[in-house]
Amino acid sequence: GENVEQHPSTLSVQEGDSAVIKCTYSDSASNYFPWYKQELGKRPQLIIDIRSNVGEKKDQRIAVTLNKTAKHFSLHITETQPEDSAVYFCASTIMDSNYQLIWGAGTKLIIKP
Amino acid sequence: DGGITQSPKYLFRKEGQNVTLSCEQNLNHDAMYWYRQDPGQGLRLIYYSQIVNDFQKGDIAEGYSVSREKKESFPLTVTSAQKNPTAFYLCASSGKWGLAGGPHLYEQYFGPGTRLTVT
Repeated sequence: GENVEQHPSTLSVQEGDSAVIKCTYSDSASNYFPWYKQELGKRPQLIIDIRSNVGEKKDQRIAVTLNKTAKHFSLHITETQPEDSAVYFCASTIMDSNYQLIWGAGTKLIIKP
Repeated sequence: DGGITQSPKYLFRKEGQNVTLSCEQNLNHDAMYWYRQDPGQGLRLIYYSQIVNDFQKGDIAEGYSVSREKKESFPLTVTSAQKNPTAFYLCASSGKWGLAGGPHLYEQYFGPGTRLTVT
């Protein structure tokens, strides 16, 4: 079945620098890739997603890139701020099929002041 | 706040007791899910339901049971058969699951979670 690997498990960056989190998936049929953010003690929330028919999507300081050939997708956060500190989860699925979201293990992002 | 609620926020039980966690949503979503979250292990799917009176096992269903008698409600029972029940439990819902439609139907909305401690 589908497997999603997420790296790194912890990422510490200086405030204002960029952060990149990478996920690799195994099923080439996967075509939808969301990213969720979970702040400490709170519920996960969708922050950005991408479908397999595009290579990149941006929303202000966050962007997601997809490389279908290599079967990996990445979350990019620019100009990091203290409120970006959280755990980030990637996931994948095959839309229009009975596939659940397959989740990565999560990355704890720490923004150093 | 978000349209999906879980209660209670914290729950303490003695070993050997069954306990039921509540999950209610008013988003008119068809699909509902239960996840278990342990430190460093991400979100592990316990059970999910696509429609009323139907549900399927996820990756770690042993020791858990669910029911889906109403569209709005998806309670999870942690039975005494669950070897290590202490964890943070998250309920989620989404518009549809596995049916044709745009990606917005796949967005999962999470409840605030229940932290269960069994001693």
